[in-house]
Amino acid sequence: TQLLEQSPQFLSIQEGENLTVYCNSSSVFSSLQWYRQEPGEGPVLLVTVVTGGEVKKLKRLTFQFGDARKDSSLHITAAQPGDTGLYLCAGGNYGGATNKLIFGTGTLLAVQP
Amino acid sequence: NAGVTQTPKFRILKIGQSMTLQCTQDMNHNYMYWYRQDPGMGLKLIYYSVGAGITDKGEVPNGYNVSRSTTEDFPLRLELAAPSQTSVYFCASSGPGFGSYEQYFGPGTRLTVT
Repeated sequence: TQLLEQSPQFLSIQEGENLTVYCNSSSVFSSLQWYRQEPGEGPVLLVTVVTGGEVKKLKRLTFQFGDARKDSSLHITAAQPGDTGLYLCAGGNYGGATNKLIFGTGTLLAVQP
Repeated sequence: NAGVTQTPKFRILKIGQSMTLQCTQDMNHNYMYWYRQDPGMGLKLIYYSVGAGITDKGEVPNGYNVSRSTTEDFPLRLELAAPSQTSVYFCASSGPGFGSYEQYFGPGTRLTVT
């Protein structure tokens, strides 16, 4: 069974601080996605990384896929209250032809003004 | 495009009752999924479908059933509701082809079983 563990589970910080969220597995994934979920809504895709070592930036968010494609990180610079939400990583594999994703355990981020 | 729509948004069931959660997508996606999410947690896959007429169990299928008679619709049936099924249920779709991993989610159905 493939598992994705995220850390930390909860994070409460002040506006302007930096933070990093980690997503780790003992399994290799073909792709890794990050979603953000706001209260009362479904998750929305932020980014997909597919190559080991790949780094993608989305404004103040930086995403990295580990060289061995077993882990990923999300770094937020100068966090803002609008970044508040549940961050989920999700791994996909090309085998099986189902497009299924394995979702991580989630990191709940609260950014205080 | 409306994307993925789910009804109802909220529902309270008594133990032993049954209900169907509706899910419709208008993106012509082949792949559809049902997840449950417990408070502050990630998503657990209940059932999925790779196309009309084809469904399969996910990680937590017990107590649920699905059907996929059309590309657009993927209803989830709860039989004999139990308190352990209190959760938020999300329907998602991806596609149209294999390898299109991005999943589009509906707004969720919050279900309470008392």
